[in-house]
Amino acid sequence: EAQVTQNPRYLITVTGKKLTVTCSQNMNHEYMSWYRQDPGLGLRQIYYSMNVEVTDKGDVPEGYKVSRKEKRNFPLILESPSPNQTSLYFCASRSRGLGTEAFFGQGTRLTVV
Amino acid sequence: AQRVTQPEKLLSVFKGAPVELKCNYSYSGSPELFWYVQYSRQRLQLLLRHISRESIKGFTADLNKGETSFHLKKPFAQEEDSAMYYCALNSGTYKYIFGTGTRLKVLA
Repeated sequence: EAQVTQNPRYLITVTGKKLTVTCSQNMNHEYMSWYRQDPGLGLRQIYYSMNVEVTDKGDVPEGYKVSRKEKRNFPLILESPSPNQTSLYFCASRSRGLGTEAFFGQGTRLTVV
Repeated sequence: AQRVTQPEKLLSVFKGAPVELKCNYSYSGSPELFWYVQYSRQRLQLLLRHISRESIKGFTADLNKGETSFHLKKPFAQEEDSAMYYCALNSGTYKYIFGTGTRLKVLA
């Protein structure tokens, strides 16, 4: 089954403790992105990747890092999480080109205390 | 600047009533526009895209370049349509811009 898989689904952590949210897709998609979803703000892009070893900042990249060492994986790294990063995070992938459908993961609900 | 605006945060309608979810965009080129839906506790999924000109689950959306709008419509709402709806614009090859979303509640 074609899908985007994120782990973990839920995470509670403390301020400053490094964490990684994994994202994997099995559709051989070139493009992958991370979004955060906050009430009243909709989906905001954090980082995106156009292919292996090619990443760039989205609209809200501060406090986040990503890497794309393999085509299927696009982990999101919070080196020193802060409470304002408490949010619902979605990974998405799509094939190259204009107008292609984005496939989303199930979401990761992160709480930083 | 590229922008997608969904003016309504919440839209409540009665079952059987018509529904229109508004979406306006700001983009100087020829955009690709989409509607995504997120049912309770589920991931976002594509509902429809303007290039397909199709009707999915009774929903349609027409791109109006003059008014820069891509409103989502359904003639008769059903309770299972209750969800969060996002309008999205694909500009260039990698940029996907989402609106802030409209929560649709269909009342029995």
